[in-house]
Parts: sequence; C-alpha cells; structure tokens
Amino acid sequence: GAVVSQHPSRVICKSGTSVKIECRSLDFQATTMFWYRQFPKKSLMLMATSNEGSKATYEQGVEKDKFLINHASLTLSTLTVTSAHPEDSSFYICSARGRYQETQYFGPGTRLLVL
Amino acid sequence: AQKVTQAQTEISVVEKEDVTLDCVYETRDTTYYLFWYKQPPSGELVFLIRRNSFDEQNEISGRYSWNFQKSTSSFNFTITASQVVDSAVYFCAPHAGGTSYGKLTFGQGTILTVHP
Repeated sequence: GAVVSQHPSRVICKSGTSVKIECRSLDFQATTMFWYRQFPKKSLMLMATSNEGSKATYEQGVEKDKFLINHASLTLSTLTVTSAHPEDSSFYICSARGRYQETQYFGPGTRLLVL
Repeated sequence: AQKVTQAQTEISVVEKEDVTLDCVYETRDTTYYLFWYKQPPSGELVFLIRRNSFDEQNEISGRYSWNFQKSTSSFNFTITASQVVDSAVYFCAPHAGGTSYGKLTFGQGTILTVHP
C-alpha cells in the first residue's frame, strides 16, 4: 500500500514554456500533498503544502506565481512550472499523506531540464 | 523550527560490515515524530521508519535497527551486515507539530556506499 506516482518522470523543455507535473496517490486518499525540490547531492527543500480543496501554502522564498499548485481531488495534485528557465532545472518530488496519518509517502520524482 | 544534523556526509564500507548513520535533531515540540528515508540512485524516497517521541524503545527490522535517545536528541540508524543494495542516500527527518504540523525537515543526508 501507500503508493504515489509522478508523471512525467523526466521532461526536457525550452526556456519560456510551462511544464505540468502530476502527483497521484494510487491506493489511498491524500488529504495533504507536499512538493519538494532537490538539487544534485543536496537535501530536499519543501516548496509548498497543499490540502485537498484549499490553496497551497508556499514556503518562504518560493514564488507562488511561478510554481502553481493545484490539489483538486484526494488523489491528484499538480505542480506547474510557468515560464520555465534554466535555473528551474531540478528534481521535483511530491509526497502524500492520508487523513490522520503521520507518514508521508513519496513519488519517484520528476527530473526537469530547461534548455 | 526544526533542525537536523547528519554529521556524516559520506560513509564507505565493505559488504557485510555494520554501519551506523548518526542523526541529531533540534525541536521545540514536546511531542513529535522522527523519520528515516532512503533515497537509492533511482531517486525516489523510500520510507524506512517512523518513531513517536513518546516511544523510546529501540526498534529492529531485519538488518535495520534504530536507537532513539530523547535525552541527547539523537535517532541513529544501524545497518547490520551491509549489502551493496544498501548503497543510497539516507535522510533523517523530524516532523513538525503546531502550526507547521506535518512538515518534514530533512537533514543533508548521508551517502552510504557499500563495496562488494
């Protein structure tokens, strides 16, 4: 149980385009989803927390207009990187947690490369 | 705010050796959870263990064991008889309470390399 998927696993795009990453909980209802960013050989940095049906809460320094997060259902959250630039290239990982659960289960991550 | 220190940046061992990964955390919460995750080269984070601050009993799961010492704010992880498949980055992460409930604060991670 507790499987989280992400799609796509890898994406290459041109500078200026927008990229949407999907995060799905496959076998449980995810009332809360988290989005992280990880640079090579670095730790995970929390970008935002989203509760189903509510607006996402962004961490300090994360541009909400740049990284649009939607959590419209109990099994799906999306992260859209708008007008992507090379500095947005990174590994993006989502996690999901069920109601009254403490453990976050992570997706396999999405590697974004902006040319 | 939570803070976690994984002092060992990289550890290299030979297969079958035992290895301990250290984790020291700081928290103002009176009750909290602590987690360990494994990140193999494929990139996904694999949940290993969750520990409630009320429960100081050490835990063993196969070759894995955890030593939680609340008095010293440490939550160390030992792999017994290491295997090549244990090679990964290991993260210790306290879980926040209060208004930041549910957020994980990740340490810098320890890169473990197990050589055949």
